[in-house]
This record gives sequence, C-alpha cells and structure tokens, in this order.
Amino acid sequence: QSALTQPASVSGSPGQSITISCTGTSSDVGGYNYVSWYQQLPGKAPKLMIYEVSNRPSGVSNRFSGSKSGNTASLTISGLQAEDEADYYCSSYTSSSTPVLFGGGTKLTVL
Amino acid sequence: QVQLQESGPGLVKPSQTLSLTCTVSGGSISSGGSYWSWMRQHPGKGLEWIAYIYYTGSTYYNPSLKSRITISVDTSKNQFSLKLSPVTAADTAVYYCARGSDSWDFDYWGQGTLVTVSS
Repeated sequence: QSALTQPASVSGSPGQSITISCTGTSSDVGGYNYVSWYQQLPGKAPKLMIYEVSNRPSGVSNRFSGSKSGNTASLTISGLQAEDEADYYCSSYTSSSTPVLFGGGTKLTVL
Repeated sequence: QVQLQESGPGLVKPSQTLSLTCTVSGGSISSGGSYWSWMRQHPGKGLEWIAYIYYTGSTYYNPSLKSRITISVDTSKNQFSLKLSPVTAADTAVYYCARGSDSWDFDYWGQGTLVTVSS
C-alpha cells in the first residue's frame, strides 16, 4: 500500500510562510477528516502538531495550521523560525487494509 | 502528563524474536478511547504503523506484519508489549510506542528504541 505523497524538501527564510502538501486518495485523505501532522526533530520522537485536519493540540503554536482540499491536505507554518527546522510527516486514516498511512516525510530547512 | 517508555534488547539475531515493552506513566492504560500502538521507522525513512491494542485486549495489526506479530497488554503493570518473530535485517528500525485516539492520531510517544537485527 503506497504511502501518502509529500515533497521531499521545502525551505523558507525566517518570518516567511511555507506550506507542505500531503496527497492521497479518496480512500484516505479525501474520504475522511482524520489527517494528522507530526514534527520530528533529529533523533527525537514525532510530535503531534495537527489532528483531524486542522485542530491544534494544546501547547502547539498557532503559527501551525492545517487544511484539506479534495485528496490533498496541507500544513502551513507562518512566521517561520529556526526552531521549525525538522522533518514533517502527514498521516491519514484509510479504509484500506492498513488503517493508517503516513507520508514519506518532508524536510523543512530554514535558510 | 502521559509518558511512554520503550524497553527491550537493542540487538536481535536473525530468525529470533524481537520483544519490546512500553511502560505508561502519568495515566492509566485502561482509560477509554486510548489505542496503545507500536510504530517503527527504518533508518532515514518514514513511519510505519505496526499494531494497536485496547486495554480490553482487542487488537488490530498491520496486515503486512500480522503473521509475525503478537501484541499484549498488562493493565496491572500499565504496560503493553510487542513481539515480532522471526526477524530479518529488514526489521532493523527505531521502534516507538504511542497513544492513539479514535481519529487515528498519536498524541503521546515514547522516545523510541533502536533495534538492530544482526548476527
């Protein structure tokens, strides 16, 4: 079963906004509002940043926002900061045999 | 604040059994709505969901690994465990335990433990 599709890398300068896309199908991203986003710093465990497409857990900066259109979900980080440099993964519930799929990850570089 | 901690051998020989335990603190493993999960991340790669167990003992396995996995829960110790057998070099990865929700997001994670399969 294919992973969700994310760009391998994105970059931006401090203060700018960037968007990371996550493309799936109507069996996963497009069919359910169960898309999550995770931030993974080097050598650390993933941290939940967005759940159910656009909800932020307590303690997560409001610079992080999520959305979805059709089969593509997006994570937007505004006011980019050096500490945002990390790998970002999307995930989605899927009606296929494996109930949850992850994207391949996107490396964010803050220039 | 819920915390999870993986424990187990860091080196396993091919064809043997990988055994990991996740100890949950700061909350009860018997709390409803929590799906205690295992995931792994191959070196330099993305995440793969392995399985979850509910405190009642109900399980759900990744079909691609189902034939080799056993997951169990010990509510008296606030722990859940993973066994994967037999292992090959392809099972070398960082293994994470995490708490899942009804909407398939994972809000608390262990720090991860690297398991290397090698003779």
